[in-house]
Formats: sequence, C-alpha cells, structure tokens
Amino acid sequence: DARVTQTPRHKVTEMGQEVTMRCQPILGHNTVFWYRQTMMQGLELLAYFRNRAPLDDSGMPKDRFSAEMPDATLATLKIQPSEPRDSAVYFCASGRRDGLSDTQYFGPGTRLTVL
Amino acid sequence: AQSVTQPDIHITVSEGASLELRCNYSYGATPYLFWYVQSPGQGLQLLLKYFSGDTLVQGIKGFEAEFKRSQSSFNLRKPSVHWSDAAEYFCAVGARAGGTSYGKLTFGQGTILTVHP
Repeated sequence: DARVTQTPRHKVTEMGQEVTMRCQPILGHNTVFWYRQTMMQGLELLAYFRNRAPLDDSGMPKDRFSAEMPDATLATLKIQPSEPRDSAVYFCASGRRDGLSDTQYFGPGTRLTVL
Repeated sequence: AQSVTQPDIHITVSEGASLELRCNYSYGATPYLFWYVQSPGQGLQLLLKYFSGDTLVQGIKGFEAEFKRSQSSFNLRKPSVHWSDAAEYFCAVGARAGGTSYGKLTFGQGTILTVHP
C-alpha cells in the first residue's frame, strides 16, 4: 500500500530558527504539492512541482519559505527564519495523471509549532 | 476562477441515520470533483472522485456522491452512518489539463461530522 511519507511528524522550534520538512512522494507520481492547514485559513496551497520543476509557488511567502525537489523521491519545504504565525500543519501530497487531471494523495502531515 | 462552497460547517447525526453533505462548485468547464475525509491528527484520505461518465460515483467506506451539473453540486451521501465516520470532510474541484492550473485542487472549508451513539 503505497503512501506519501513526511518527516518529522511533529516539530517544536523557537522563533528565528530554520525548519526543514521532508516529503517522499509515492513512487511513480510526478506531481508534488505542499499545503498548509490552519483553523483560520483552512487548507492553503503553498507550492507545487511537476516532474521536479516548480510550477507555482504563489501561495508561499517568498522571503522566508522555499520549496525544492532535489530528486524524484524527495521534496523539501524550508522556513528560514521561522515565526510564530508559521505554526500550522503542513501537508505534502503527490499526484499522478488520471484522465485529464491529477488525483492527489496526502501524507500524514508535519505539525509545526513555533514558539 | 474555480471555487467550492460547503454550506454546512458542522453536522450532527445519530449512528445509523442517513447522511448528506453538501458541496457546490464554480468552474468554467466540466469539473473534476473530489471528496476527502480527514480524521483528527491525520492527513486527507480520498473518498471518491468524479471525472466523467456516470454521475453517481461510489467510493470507499460506503460513501457515494452525485454530480448534478444543473445545480453545480456534488453532494456526498451515506445511507447509514457509523461512529467511525466522525471526521472532517472536504470537497474539492480540480483544474483540467490544458490550463495553467492543471492538477491544482481548490478545497471547500470543510464540514465537521459528529456522530451520536
């Protein structure tokens, strides 16, 4: 049963520290999405990649967030420096072409707390 | 731009009762529609999807959804709810290939389902 994996599952850090979240997409999936979920904003798309190329990162604060896919088995989301307002659950999803669109499969998330 | 509205923030039903969760979408072409479920502390799990063909689609865990183009709706139903169905449910619309947003999902705000014994 193939799944998206995310590490770490929980992260507590102090304001100003760098945070790196990792995602391993399902083998054979060619799209990767990063979402942020908060009570106030719900699910927000931060960035996504197709065939490792970044397609859209308009949902991401550019000054502190960066997303990369160094290879097909790893996607990273980095926050530097972190701020308390970044506290949220960050989800990675991977997708594959299904007809004329993608079906996305979500990982378990990384719960980030910035003190 | 595409959008999704889930009019009910919170629904409470008794175990064994039937369930319908509402979803209305706005999209300029034939939409790709999804329902996901999120249990507390978990990621989103795909329940079912509609791309084309039969407008009544079956999903996992006994759920089904019906696509009604005339009403721009894709409501989720279950004939008999189990306590384990308590979770948050998200409707989403996906962009079709050929556009710049292909592959992206737009989510509704979610409906929290509480099940009473």
